[in-house]
This record gives sequence, C-alpha cells and structure tokens, in this order.
Amino acid sequence: KAGVTQTPRYLIKTRGQQVTLSCSPISGHRSVSWYQQTPGQGLQFLFEYFSETQRNKGNFPGRFSGRQFSNSRSEMNVSTLELGDSALYLCASSLSGPGSLTDTQYFGPGTRLTVL
Amino acid sequence: AQSVTQPDIHITVSEGASLELRCNYSYGATPYLFWYVQSPGQGLQLLLKYFSGDTLVQGIKGFEAEFKRSQSSFNLRKPSVHWSDAAEYFCAVVARGYQKVTFGIGTKLQVIP
Repeated sequence: KAGVTQTPRYLIKTRGQQVTLSCSPISGHRSVSWYQQTPGQGLQFLFEYFSETQRNKGNFPGRFSGRQFSNSRSEMNVSTLELGDSALYLCASSLSGPGSLTDTQYFGPGTRLTVL
Repeated sequence: AQSVTQPDIHITVSEGASLELRCNYSYGATPYLFWYVQSPGQGLQLLLKYFSGDTLVQGIKGFEAEFKRSQSSFNLRKPSVHWSDAAEYFCAVVARGYQKVTFGIGTKLQVIP
C-alpha cells in the first residue's frame, strides 16, 4: 500500500508570490491534515479536511488556505508569501481523523518551502 | 490554556543505556496522547498512543510510555537505546472530541557509541 505522497518535495519562491502544495493520502483515507514545521515554532496545525469539508483550523492567517477533492487528495495554498513562511509543510492522512480511537495518522515526507 | 510541554530540547545517551523522554500536558480533561518520531529528512511516524485503560502502553521499536494522571505526564521510555534511535521525538495531544493535534516542541535524541 502506497504511503502519503507530497509534491513537490522542494520549492523555492520569492516574497509576494503564491504557492500550492499537494498531498495524496493513503488509499481509502478520508481525513487529511496539514502542519507547518519550523525550528522556532515546532509543528503547528494548519487545518484538517474530511470528505471535502474543513473540520478544524489552526491559528494561521487567511493567506493559508486548503481544499480537499472528492478523491481525498488535498491541496494547500499560501498567497502573498512572506519570509517567515519558509518551513517544512507536512500532511498526514487517516481513515477518520487524528483524534480517532481506532486508526492511525500517517505522515508524508513533507514539502520544504524556501521563501527568498 | 491548553498546552503540551517537552522540557528537554536535546538529550544525549550512550548506546545500550536506558532512555526516558518527558512530556507534560495541561488540558481540562485527559486528552488523547501520542508519541511520534521523526528521523532526519523524514515525516513523522507514530510510536504509540493512549486513549484510556492500561496506563502502560507498548509501542513499536521497543518503546513504551506511561500515563500518570496525577502528574499530567506521558513519558516515553526504552530500556536499551540503539544508534538507529537517534531522531527527534514529539509528544502530541488531541482534545477529546476534536480532530486538532497539538505537538510539543520536540526532543532531539543523540546516541553516542
């Protein structure tokens, strides 16, 4: 069974640009969560989608948005990039959600975004 | 405020020595508790989780964790560390009824020969 895949793995952008990151969950998983990882702030929750609906959202500005498609693939978009957006962006998938009693959240390898 | 704390940012142990990584949480009700490991250049992998019941939880790779309600702690342990255990370890919590994961800042483990 293929794992969670994220594309691209590395990305370099300049301030003011926008970027779209993609996440393909494990087959059959309906929940996709996104996280930002930086050395200073650690791992921070961005949002979680389940069956194309955003169920939970972290404390990030509106420049960060996402969506989920009917095949459970998810995209994350960051508009008007700032230097502080440089980070590793991780997505994770699970059958019913990270707070489920019965299933496990699986992480992708991440997309390393550098903003110059 | 709800929070999860990992007091040790960096720990060095000798190969073969025992290991304990600390995690404390501050939540109104006992949340769901997790430990994840992240090897360099990799995503996170779940080591173990606690929801209820037996307070000693066994995980993968020989790790275990003990939930102590009185101390609001969920410490990760391994009796004998291997060089391949060098990685960063994250404690995480999910408030019951929610789907949002809050991670601790992480503890970086270095294993020396």
